[in-house]
Amino acid sequence: QKEVEQDPGPLSVPEGAIVSLNCTYSNSAFQYFMWYRQYSRKGPELLMYTYSSGNKEDGRFTAQVDKSSKYISLFIRDSQPSDSATYLCAMIDGTSYGKLTFGQGTILTVHP
Amino acid sequence: EAGVTQFPSHSVIEKGQTVTLRCDPISGHDNLYWYRRVMGKEIKFLLHFVKESKQDESGMPNNRFLAERTGGTYSTLKVQPAELEDSGVYFCASSPLGTGELFFGEGSRLTVL
Repeated sequence: QKEVEQDPGPLSVPEGAIVSLNCTYSNSAFQYFMWYRQYSRKGPELLMYTYSSGNKEDGRFTAQVDKSSKYISLFIRDSQPSDSATYLCAMIDGTSYGKLTFGQGTILTVHP
Repeated sequence: EAGVTQFPSHSVIEKGQTVTLRCDPISGHDNLYWYRRVMGKEIKFLLHFVKESKQDESGMPNNRFLAERTGGTYSTLKVQPAELEDSGVYFCASSPLGTGELFFGEGSRLTVL
């Protein structure tokens, strides 16, 4: 069983839609949760970084963590064609800040 | 400010040959990481340098892979001899000490025929 499960999609939505991306995990030691965005032929770039259970908002993006259910989500409001990318969830257990465990990534396309 | 740069962007080699990938981290970043994504799989951790020292190499698949970081600056990842299953995209990332925000390069795509 993978430590982090993420539906690879692809997911296609119309411009302006609310997008919901999700990951589940099995390792209770994970303490820090991140969402990365990766455009085609580029490296991942950090979008959101959360520690505790609950919601964190940054502009059109909201990250949600439910540690009791081992479930994290990323919501994108008013989605734009420029949001088309692969979204990767990633987690660390606190012993090493940079040793990330990634989900497989969800391919998102926002069409005009 | 220059980001993390990786070279080459794409390398095509035959099974049994040697390939060396290079990563130049962001200036001043003491942490340097190598990750790999093989086809259809998730990005996986390979190893972590703090300055010139290997902090964690638990993700290195086998002894055909050798990573070095000269003088705590750039890093190289050598695959010798390459096998078909080594094909994938190799990412380098760097970060300042004590932080968790990794800055990734664009990756080096390796194709082994």
